[in-house]
Amino acid sequence: GNSVTQMEGPVTLSEEAFLTINCTYTATGYPSLFWYVQYPGEGLQLLLKATKADDKGSNKGFEATYRKETTSFHLEKGSVQVSDSAVYFCALSPNTGNQFYFGTGTSLTVIP
Amino acid sequence: DGGITQSPKYLFRKEGQNVTLSCEQNLNHDAMYWYRQDPGQGLRLIYYSQIVNDFQKGDIAEGYSVSREKKESFPLTVTSAQKNPTAFYLCATGDSSYTSPLHFGNGTRLTVT
Repeated sequence: GNSVTQMEGPVTLSEEAFLTINCTYTATGYPSLFWYVQYPGEGLQLLLKATKADDKGSNKGFEATYRKETTSFHLEKGSVQVSDSAVYFCALSPNTGNQFYFGTGTSLTVIP
Repeated sequence: DGGITQSPKYLFRKEGQNVTLSCEQNLNHDAMYWYRQDPGQGLRLIYYSQIVNDFQKGDIAEGYSVSREKKESFPLTVTSAQKNPTAFYLCATGDSSYTSPLHFGNGTRLTVT
């Protein structure tokens, strides 16, 4: 079946620290992978995506590489800011069917 | 301005009443989805629709109903049969390609007392 596992939160970091949020997946076939961000009281916004193995998605200083051999799509940022405080969701879209599968989300708080 | 509009942002109802949440899109996407989000939890799929006049149950469809009479609209009715309706409801759309992301509205927070 299809599923996404994210590291448990919450995560608290100081400003300018390095961020890693782990995401691993199980999928039938060759999925596309996504990271979304959710700010309080809002919907999810697409942060980045990768549609095939070894692709790197990047946006606003965040990066994630689609690793087929380890079935992972870890989110990284070299220097976080207070404005990065939000909940981050990893998601996959299998190449069969029409559903998306989301992780449980990881809450990030960045302190000045 | 293309996007997804969910209304209202906040909704309050008494127990035993049905309530309908609105979702309208002008992205010309074929697929529309309803998710439920509870505090500290991920997203759970309620219903989805890939084409007008057709929809499928998701993981937690009991106590909910939907319609898809127009491509642009996918309203969700929370019925009195839903045991714990208080939650944050998110509508999303997609173009049915697995490489394309879902686009989300800003959600409706429903409180039932």
